[in-house]
Amino acid sequence: DSGVTQTPKHLITATGQRVTLRCSPRSGDLSVYWYQQSLDQGLQFLIHYYNGEERAKGNILERFSAQQFPDLHSELNLSSLELGDSALYFCASSVGRDRGRVPLHFGNGTRLTVT
Amino acid sequence: GNSVTQMEGPVTLSEEAFLTINCTYTATGYPSLFWYVQYPGEGLQLLLKATKADDKGSNKGFEATYRKETTSFHLEKGSVQVSDSAVYFCALEGGSEKLVFGKGTKLTVNP
Repeated sequence: DSGVTQTPKHLITATGQRVTLRCSPRSGDLSVYWYQQSLDQGLQFLIHYYNGEERAKGNILERFSAQQFPDLHSELNLSSLELGDSALYFCASSVGRDRGRVPLHFGNGTRLTVT
Repeated sequence: GNSVTQMEGPVTLSEEAFLTINCTYTATGYPSLFWYVQYPGEGLQLLLKATKADDKGSNKGFEATYRKETTSFHLEKGSVQVSDSAVYFCALEGGSEKLVFGKGTKLTVNP
């Protein structure tokens, strides 16, 4: 058990809809990362938050947004969903005190299916 | 930009066979290199890492050496077990706190 909790495990929704994925990091970890895993693109870094502040942005679409709350949990919001957004979305966490820290603990992911 | 290239899978081995999964990278500067493992139905776990040239990362019998001259970080294990069946990802971090992953290599170990 990595200690990173993601909900829901599965999500099926229609094109054009909006969904929210939730992540609780491992206890004591201040950094939260979001990744998208798909068969064609592989693992793509989306965004990184450290202690409530955005730290780095990757290949995140404008239709997607994220935030990290004071209790350190994070939410990834995906809107105007398209078929191509179907993927496994992973949250990861790390202590994140120093620059160059990388995600050490990954959750089991949320599988999003857009129909 | 930074990139990682892994050998295409899948790789199928018999128990106790020797494993090599090749990984090469392209990066400016001096990246840190990582291997992650993803067991079926689970998230990724950090397997090992190396932060500078000639460093050897090791864990659970797996090893990888950071070779700057060949820009490689090949994963090896002397004797694989059925429980090693998983997908293995090579990754680099080039100082921007963003991990760049390879496509992953699926390993199946048969008894």
